[in-house]
Amino acid sequence: SQTIHQWPATLVQPVGSPLSLECTVEGTSNPNLYWYRQAAGRGLQLLFYSVGIGQISSEVPQNLSASRPQDRQFILSSKKLLLSDSGFYLCAWNILAGGISLSDTQYFGPGTRLTVL
Amino acid sequence: AQKITQTQPGMFVQEKEAVTLDCTYDTSDPSYGLFWYKQPSSGEMIFLIYQGSYDQQNATEGRYSLNFQKARKSANLVISASQLGDSAMYFCAMRVRGYQKVTFGIGTKLQVIP
Repeated sequence: SQTIHQWPATLVQPVGSPLSLECTVEGTSNPNLYWYRQAAGRGLQLLFYSVGIGQISSEVPQNLSASRPQDRQFILSSKKLLLSDSGFYLCAWNILAGGISLSDTQYFGPGTRLTVL
Repeated sequence: AQKITQTQPGMFVQEKEAVTLDCTYDTSDPSYGLFWYKQPSSGEMIFLIYQGSYDQQNATEGRYSLNFQKARKSANLVISASQLGDSAMYFCAMRVRGYQKVTFGIGTKLQVIP
């Protein structure tokens, strides 16, 4: 079965410091991968998605970046964190087979709570 | 553009009663999928149920059912026999054919009262 991991689970960082969040998926090949951010009490904001190694699409221009160095690894980074980067970061995966089907379902990791002070 | 609207910021339901969480969507594409997720206080997003736009019957998964009214563009989630563990945020989402991303609503907070 497929599993998705994220680490760290919790992170407290000072403003201006760098960031690296990691997401890995097991049990599947060539997944689509997604990074979301959720501000406290809010919905999900899609930040980046990737359909393959080295292929990154950005949804929101900001000081964050993403990379996909391996098929099942997705990394979210920042060179200098802002206060507004605080939030709950979720990684998700799915397999898009073409058309619309249950397989489109995105499955989420446990998330990382980031607090920027 | 695709849009999901959840108009109930918070809902209360008595334990063992049924509750309906509203979701309306907007798309001009006839081919799309609708999803509901549950997010307990721990933060994990748990997939509950899926409905395809061409599915003839409403989706059901245990105590969850999706009341799909295509002409009204609504996809309400019905939870029967509510349990205390159902207290959580619930998100409605949609993916349209040809788009990689999934559009999420802002969520509804459900609280089950003993």
